Amino acid sequence: ETGVTQSPTHLIKTRGQQVTLRCSSQSGHNTVSWYQQALGQGPQFIFQYYREEENGRGNFPPRFSGLQFPNYSSELNVNALELDDSALYLCASSFATPNEQFFGPGTRLTVL
Amino acid sequence: AQSVTQLDSHVSVSEGTPVLLRCNYSSSYSPSLFWYVQHPNKGLQLLLKYTSAATLVKGINGFEAEFKKSETSFHLTKPSAHMSDAAEYFCVVSRPYNNNDMRFGAGTRLTVKP
Repeated sequence: ETGVTQSPTHLIKTRGQQVTLRCSSQSGHNTVSWYQQALGQGPQFIFQYYREEENGRGNFPPRFSGLQFPNYSSELNVNALELDDSALYLCASSFATPNEQFFGPGTRLTVL
Repeated sequence: AQSVTQLDSHVSVSEGTPVLLRCNYSSSYSPSLFWYVQHPNKGLQLLLKYTSAATLVKGINGFEAEFKKSETSFHLTKPSAHMSDAAEYFCVVSRPYNNNDMRFGAGTRLTVKP
């Protein structure tokens, strides 16, 4: 196990709702990255937070937003959910950007 | 821009035989390259990484990969497959020494037959 935890493990929402996913980084890590993994595909980079500031963003619309707290835990918020948002959401933590990322087990989001 | 292409979506081998998972990359600079493994209901685990040092990289659980710039390839190999190797494998490219835009391939599912 990596020490990166995510909650909840599973979530079911309906189209148009909003969702918040949470990630606790491994002890000593100050960087958190979020990824979306659709069924049968590789993870896609959503964004990264380094010391509470956004530090890079992938090709996702603004309704995907995030936050990093002083203890370096992080939230991913998705507004106006669409059916295509159904996926496994992974977070990964590291100590700064050059170093290895450690992944959590993910949150499975289903949008009906 | 950077991307990876995993040439096989599914590879099936018998236990004890060699494993070859193929990956080609595209990058406008000298990249960092990684292989990750994903077991069902578990997080991604790093197998090995290339960061412009030795071109033959040894990883965990007997896996290794060779960076070939002339072929833009980073294939993953293992001499002898074990049942526990059955999983999804991802090839990943990123900018050197910077993990804030890692690009994953679509994955290769490895099946190991007894």
